[in-house]
Amino acid sequence: QKEVEQDPGPLSVPEGAIVSLNCTYSNSAFQYFMWYRQYSRKGPELLMYTYSSGNKEDGRFTAQVDKSSKYISLFIRDSQPSDSATYLCAMRAGGGNKLTFGTGTQLKVEL
Amino acid sequence: GAVVSQHPSWVICKSGTSVKIECRSLDFQATTMFWYRQFPKQSLMLMATSNEGSKATYEQGVEKDKFLINHASLTLSTLTVTSAHPEDSSFYICSARDRLSSYNEQFFGPGTRLTVL
Repeated sequence: QKEVEQDPGPLSVPEGAIVSLNCTYSNSAFQYFMWYRQYSRKGPELLMYTYSSGNKEDGRFTAQVDKSSKYISLFIRDSQPSDSATYLCAMRAGGGNKLTFGTGTQLKVEL
Repeated sequence: GAVVSQHPSWVICKSGTSVKIECRSLDFQATTMFWYRQFPKQSLMLMATSNEGSKATYEQGVEKDKFLINHASLTLSTLTVTSAHPEDSSFYICSARDRLSSYNEQFFGPGTRLTVL
């Protein structure tokens, strides 16, 4: 079993839809949770950074962490075609360097 | 802020040759840089952690003699793929951690696509 599980998609939604992206994990030591956006043939770009459980909102993006269920989510409101990319979840233990990534979910927002 | 560059962005080489990839933090100092490899439709796999002025720490299964890492300054780390073979063809991405950041997040470079013929 992988430490971090993420549905690879592809996920196709119409413009303006609310998108829900999720990851589950098995390592209870993970305390820091991140979402990255990666366009084709580019490096990942940090979108959201969350410590422990709770919600964090930044513009159209909301990140949720439920440590009791080992489940994290990223919501994108009013999705735009420019949101079309691969979204990677990543997490690490407290005090550690190593990031463990999910496989990424490919999102396509259509006009 | 927090810009990381990589050079080259794309390289093609013949089997058996060596290729050097540079990773630079442009507007911050990075005591720690990380090298990842990403195969098509797969996630990023950490290869090694590079600390300024000391030897790199390699992940299990990564050959340190094949993937030479040098982190000679607070803004530059290099990865040299020695005696490259077609199976080394991949997307290599570096990241850097801002030593002054309280969040310890990593900022990624744009990646280098290596094709070994």
